[in-house]
Amino acid sequence: AQSVTQPDIHITVSEGASLELRCNYSYGATPYLFWYVQSPGQGLQLLLKYFSGDTLVQGIKGFEAEFKRSQSSFNLRKPSVHWSDAAEYFCAVGPRDSSYKLIFGSGTRLLVRP
Amino acid sequence: DTGVSQDPRHKITKRGQNVTFRCDPISEHNRLYWYRQTLGQGPEFLTYFQNEAQLEKSRLLSDRFSAERPKGSFSTLEIQRTEQGDSAMYLCASSLELQGSGTFGSGTRLTVV
Repeated sequence: AQSVTQPDIHITVSEGASLELRCNYSYGATPYLFWYVQSPGQGLQLLLKYFSGDTLVQGIKGFEAEFKRSQSSFNLRKPSVHWSDAAEYFCAVGPRDSSYKLIFGSGTRLLVRP
Repeated sequence: DTGVSQDPRHKITKRGQNVTFRCDPISEHNRLYWYRQTLGQGPEFLTYFQNEAQLEKSRLLSDRFSAERPKGSFSTLEIQRTEQGDSAMYLCASSLELQGSGTFGSGTRLTVV
């Protein structure tokens, strides 16, 4: 079955500390991979995506993610967290037919300590 | 370009009533998607359109749900005889064919009481 697992429901980090959010997927073939951020009551904003090529992907707001095929993982990282990064983060996978029928994980809520 | 617009932002309805939501995609996007997000979960795919054609519907889309995109521009999602389990955020997204990613709207939050 196709699925996305985000094992951490909540993560709390101090402002200025580094961050890594984990994402593992189960899919028939290598999918397109995405990270989205959602602030309370808002829609989803795309942080970054991986389609092909370099497995280290740079995104907006200083985020990056690394695709590891052997581990079926696509972890999100940021070297120094800002208080404004507090939000919910979703990992998603989609088919390579560009139909954008995404499968999302259940999300990781990031809390930032001042 | 004002992005993807959804209306209303919030809707409270009594169980058994019908509700309709509207989504206006980015004007040049020919694909439009509906997702549902329940509290504490990630969004789940419901259906998508290419122009005015509805290409796929998820098993989550029961026969009480109907979506249309009559002129290939805006779309409506109607829920008939609402149930408490329909309470969720309904998200719309649009994309260009072959783009592989899209833009989400801010969603319509439905509360069924």
